[in-house]
Amino acid sequence: GAGVSQSPSNKVTEKGKDVELRCDPISGHTALYWYRQSLGQGLEFLIYFQGNSAPDKSGLPSDRFSAERTGGSVSTLTIQRTQQEDSAVYLCASSSRTSGRVSDTQYFGPGTRLTVL
Amino acid sequence: RKEVEQDPGPFNVPEGATVAFNCTYSNSASQSFFWYRQDCRKEPKLLMSVYSSGNEDGRFTAQLNRASQYISLLIRDSKLSDSATYLCVVNMRAGGFKTIFGAGTRLFVKA
Repeated sequence: GAGVSQSPSNKVTEKGKDVELRCDPISGHTALYWYRQSLGQGLEFLIYFQGNSAPDKSGLPSDRFSAERTGGSVSTLTIQRTQQEDSAVYLCASSSRTSGRVSDTQYFGPGTRLTVL
Repeated sequence: RKEVEQDPGPFNVPEGATVAFNCTYSNSASQSFFWYRQDCRKEPKLLMSVYSSGNEDGRFTAQLNRASQYISLLIRDSKLSDSATYLCVVNMRAGGFKTIFGAGTRLFVKA
């Protein structure tokens, strides 16, 4: 079946512009995660959605970052007034985890490579 | 101290070698454990889950020691295609669900 998809695959923007990154999780997966990975670095957790529960936003680095998940499926990560330090690969993952289970595997999309000039 | 720490690497090994990666975690609320593989400029992909009893998948063996809060990955008879970054991942319940990725250990297998 189809995996996690993300769009665009690459985004180049100018400092100060807003960007929107999209994630389509695997059908039926209730949990969705956003991470970012700077060049040569590990993954940094940003935000986590689980079903209809309030999202865990504890990883968002500043109030310029926000994310929504509509209808329990597609998610959009928005970065306002982008800065050069926002340049990174933004990865989305989904899992079939249900509340109370921490053992579900996360499946990653191919990522969006964001470059802020 | 980082919540999940891995060998800094990189590891450079010849084909056919056995290589072991170590990972420690600091939060005793950690409940599930995984090894992911990430190829250059690609997304992470699940290599294997790690169970308390230890588990093996072909040339790969994963071990978990809850008492020592330690996870390992052993690769036997390494292949050129094993060259990648190996990420240790820990899921936990600590005031909510949380996933922590280690920084990864880079492996280069050379002919």
